[in-house]
Amino acid sequence: SQTIHQWPATLVQPVGSPLSLECTVEGTSNPNLYWYRQAAGRGLQLLFYSVGIGQISSEVPQNLSASRPQDRQFILSSKKLLLSDSGFYLCAWTLKSTDTQYFGPGTRLTVL
Amino acid sequence: GNSVTQMEGPVTLSEEAFLTINCTYTATGYPSLFWYVQYPGEGLQLLLKATKADDKGSNKGFEATYRKETTSFHLEKGSVQVSDSAVYFCALRGISSGSARQLTFGSGTQLTVLP
Repeated sequence: SQTIHQWPATLVQPVGSPLSLECTVEGTSNPNLYWYRQAAGRGLQLLFYSVGIGQISSEVPQNLSASRPQDRQFILSSKKLLLSDSGFYLCAWTLKSTDTQYFGPGTRLTVL
Repeated sequence: GNSVTQMEGPVTLSEEAFLTINCTYTATGYPSLFWYVQYPGEGLQLLLKATKADDKGSNKGFEATYRKETTSFHLEKGSVQVSDSAVYFCALRGISSGSARQLTFGSGTQLTVLP
């Protein structure tokens, strides 16, 4: 069966520091991958999606970037964090033949 | 573009009460419709889905019917439990999303069930 992992689970970082969040999927190949952000008390905002290795589409211009160095690995990065980057970051995947997205457990990021 | 409008929360109910969370959508053609649930501190879990008009999705006592004529996908449960307390998200996958298969989410509805 397929599983999705995210780490770290919780992160506290100072303003201006770099960021790297990782997401990996097991048990499937060539999935679509997604990064979402959920600010406190708000809905989900799609940040990036990827349909294949090295293919990244950005939905919201900001100081974050994403990369997909391997088929089942999706990384969210920043060179310098802002206070507004605080939130709950969720990774998700889907097969190209279905509509259902499956979500990881999330990373809680607090920028101080 | 596609959009999903959910009933404003928070919703507070007593155990065994009837639940309805309204969801309406705007999209061309026949999108696929979903309800996701998020328990505190966790990621989203698929609750149910429907892929064509008049389909009824159901799971764990929850139901939602895809109504093309009213562009709605309201979530219902006949008797809620304390363990149903969570945030519920309505979502759609439009036909225009192509290979990206993006979902469009509503803003979420917080449900609290009191014993």
